[in-house]
Formats: sequence, structure tokens, C-alpha cells
Amino acid sequence: NAGVMQNPRHLVRRRGQEARLRCSPMKGHSHVYWYRQLPEEGLKFMVYLQKENIIDESGMPKERFSAEFPKEGPSILRIQQVVRGDSAAYFCASSKGAYGFGYTFGSGTRLTVV
Amino acid sequence: DQQVKQNSPSLSVQEGRISILNCDYTNSMFDYFLWYKKYPAEGPTFLISISSIKDKNEDGRFTVFLNKSAKHLSLHIVPSQPGDSAVYFCAASAQETSGSRLTFGEGTQLTVNP
Repeated sequence: NAGVMQNPRHLVRRRGQEARLRCSPMKGHSHVYWYRQLPEEGLKFMVYLQKENIIDESGMPKERFSAEFPKEGPSILRIQQVVRGDSAAYFCASSKGAYGFGYTFGSGTRLTVV
Repeated sequence: DQQVKQNSPSLSVQEGRISILNCDYTNSMFDYFLWYKKYPAEGPTFLISISSIKDKNEDGRFTVFLNKSAKHLSLHIVPSQPGDSAVYFCAASAQETSGSRLTFGEGTQLTVNP
């Protein structure tokens, strides 16, 4: 029973390129959350999605960032025209239903913008 | 606006003694609190939680205490073991206003010395 799978584990992008981070939730989970951890800080909520729906994107930067969770396939967090300040660890979590407290996190994708 | 604060970036204790990690919050709408443990290069792992209708929850060596009037919670680990060495994050949620979104503190690095 695989946990939440995130790939790639490490991603290096040059400034101005696009970064695509993928998250496959646990089997049977239809709710996905994305969090970002900047160096020396706690995790900050970005977006909450269900299949084909964005439920809460209040933590997403207004520009360059987007997220989707299609009917088939993993959830994707896309960052266009990356800047050095986007360098961070991005964590995905999943739960079976809403209010899925104690939901399961993946191991994260460490994005480095050079 | 840091709504959840962990004022101690680090804590060092001897094996077998008690570890006490503290967390303060400012948002009176928070009604559910969680502790996560995180090892380097891994995602956070859920440890224990408490609802605002309780003041204590215990699970094996881990106990969480909630003081609503002081807007303070603490995690007690006894006896502490070297394998407990990790970063501990306190998190909170306001179910009515933010549903599944968690607000995290900055984390406390716990080191348990053999």
C-alpha cells in the first residue's frame, strides 16, 4: 500500500524556466493538499484540491503558480518563469475525505532555482 | 502574521528524560491542533492531535496538553529516546473557516542524547 508519491525528489531549474511537480495520492484518497516550506520556516498552505476541482487556493501566489488534479493521473503543481525565491521544499498530502486531519504527507520535492 | 508560533528553535534532552515542546497560537477560531514529526529529507508524519473540547490527549509516550485560555499547547514525550530526534511542528485548524487547511509553526529541533 504505497504512500503519497511525489516526483521528482529533487528538481533544478534555471530562472525563467517552468517547474512541474507531481503528486500521486494514496490509494483511495481523493483530496490533495500542497504545502511549501521555505528555508528555516514552517510549512505554508498553498492549495487544496479534489478530483477536477480546486477547493481552496487561498495560499497560492497570484501569478506564475497553478495546480490541478485531473480525473486521471497525479496532481500537478506548476510554477512558470521560476525565480530564486521559489527555491523551497514542496510537500503534497492526501486524505480520504474533507477534514482529513492527520493526512499523509509525501516526501516532498526540493526545488532549486539557479 | 504568524498565527502559530514555536518559540524554541531547538531543544536538547537526555535519553530517558521528559521532552516538552511548546506552541502558542493567536487565532481564537482554531479548534483542532496537531503535532507532526519530521526527519530530514522526509515529509512530516502525523503524531498526535487534540480537539479544542479537550485539554489532554495521550498516546503511548506522547501526551498533548491544550490550555485554551492561554492559547497554548504542549507536547510531552516521556521517556525520550534517541529515535525521537527530529523537527516537531505544531499545526492548527479552524474547521468552520478554513476546513482542512493547516497553519504550521516554525518547528522545534529536538535532540535526544544517549
